[in-house]
Amino acid sequence: IAGITQAPTSQILAAGRRMTLRCTQDMRHNAMYWYRQDLGLGLRLIHYSNTAGTTGKGEVPDGYSVSRANTDDFPLTLASAVPSQTSVYFCASSEDSLNTGELFFGEGSRLTVL
Amino acid sequence: KNQVEQSPQSLIILEGKNCTLQCNYTVSPFSNLRWYKQDTGRGPVSLTIMTFSENTKSNGRYTATLDADTKQSSLHITASQLSDSASYICVVIHSGSARQLTFGSGTQLTVLP
Repeated sequence: IAGITQAPTSQILAAGRRMTLRCTQDMRHNAMYWYRQDLGLGLRLIHYSNTAGTTGKGEVPDGYSVSRANTDDFPLTLASAVPSQTSVYFCASSEDSLNTGELFFGEGSRLTVL
Repeated sequence: KNQVEQSPQSLIILEGKNCTLQCNYTVSPFSNLRWYKQDTGRGPVSLTIMTFSENTKSNGRYTATLDADTKQSSLHITASQLSDSASYICVVIHSGSARQLTFGSGTQLTVLP
């Protein structure tokens, strides 16, 4: 089934450790995104990429980095995890970065930082 | 500040009943608005999109409305089913050269048998 694949589905991590969340899409979408979802808050954009080779900062980028070496993959890295980064992380994609608005989401990665 | 507020935060109804979820926004300039359904433990999935010129749009038992003058949207669910239990998220898309989305925090709907 075509779509977004995220890994791992869940992870418990000690503070200070480095962690990479993986995201792969097979829809050949140009744009990809990373969001975090916290209880009582709307999804917040961490980083985005309008096309392979380019990335940009979202609303809450501090402590996170991304890369977009090719169309399909968009990993999110936490260089030194802190407890405030405990959250559910969603990767998403869209056909383009224009104002069509439809995002296709992965199933999420639940991260707990102790 | 661009904001999207949804009400109620949570709602419990009996199977077969109807319900209406509300979304108020202060986003400007406005491009369009989407409703997403998010099942527990899953990613959000788009239900419908409302553009500036549309007032009503249906997708099966889901009917979305938009009043661009008052900056309000609603999602009406008819003859609810147990599978409708989910979080419903309103997302407003800003127009302009930089595409931006503002997400509401969602309404958690529980349908009981």
